[in-house]
Amino acid sequence: GQQVMQIPQYQHVQEGEDFTTYCNSSTTLSNIQWYKQRPGGHPVFLIQLVKSGEVKKQKRLTFQFGEAKKNSSLHITATQTTDVGTYFCAGPVTTDSWGKLQFGAGTQVVVTP
Amino acid sequence: GAVVSQHPSWVICKSGTSVKIECRSLDFQATTMFWYRQFPKQSLMLMATSNEGSKATYEQGVEKDKFLINHASLTLSTLTVTSAHPEDSSFYICSAPNPTGSYEQYFGPGTRLTVT
Repeated sequence: GQQVMQIPQYQHVQEGEDFTTYCNSSTTLSNIQWYKQRPGGHPVFLIQLVKSGEVKKQKRLTFQFGEAKKNSSLHITATQTTDVGTYFCAGPVTTDSWGKLQFGAGTQVVVTP
Repeated sequence: GAVVSQHPSWVICKSGTSVKIECRSLDFQATTMFWYRQFPKQSLMLMATSNEGSKATYEQGVEKDKFLINHASLTLSTLTVTSAHPEDSSFYICSAPNPTGSYEQYFGPGTRLTVT
């Protein structure tokens, strides 16, 4: 079945630095979503990407969907302490499984002042 | 935005007992909800799809007789962990789809279950 892989698993970042987390799927995705989970909290929706090659920005966050719709990335510039948390990418379990998500392993981000 | 609540937020139970977790969509209707489980430092694993008016569908490897799901109304799904054991201790999270039809899922705040 489909697998969604995410790297790195951990990311220690100095405040003000940039970093990128990557997500790869073994199959073509109809869409990919990104979620953020703060320590002790629940996943919160950040964005969804649907189109091949799509790029979306949310302030310091830039999301990309690959041309083949099998990979995605999240780039954060000028990291702040509020960026602490685990970032998950998620794709549909199967092409017709609307709402059923398979999550990547997540990238746990730690920010040092 | 849409809100999903869960109750209780945490529960401690003894081995062999059953625990019921409620998931409610507060300001929208959800004919479908999803239940996930998350172990410490791990990702979310989809357990089952809760369908209003019909049986839940379970992911491979999830015991349907152990994790009973009932979608009692358009705003409520319950997950009952029967005969709980310490290995069932986990963070259980439900989600409901964005009612406007986008791919976004709204997640509940989660229920932390500890089985002693």
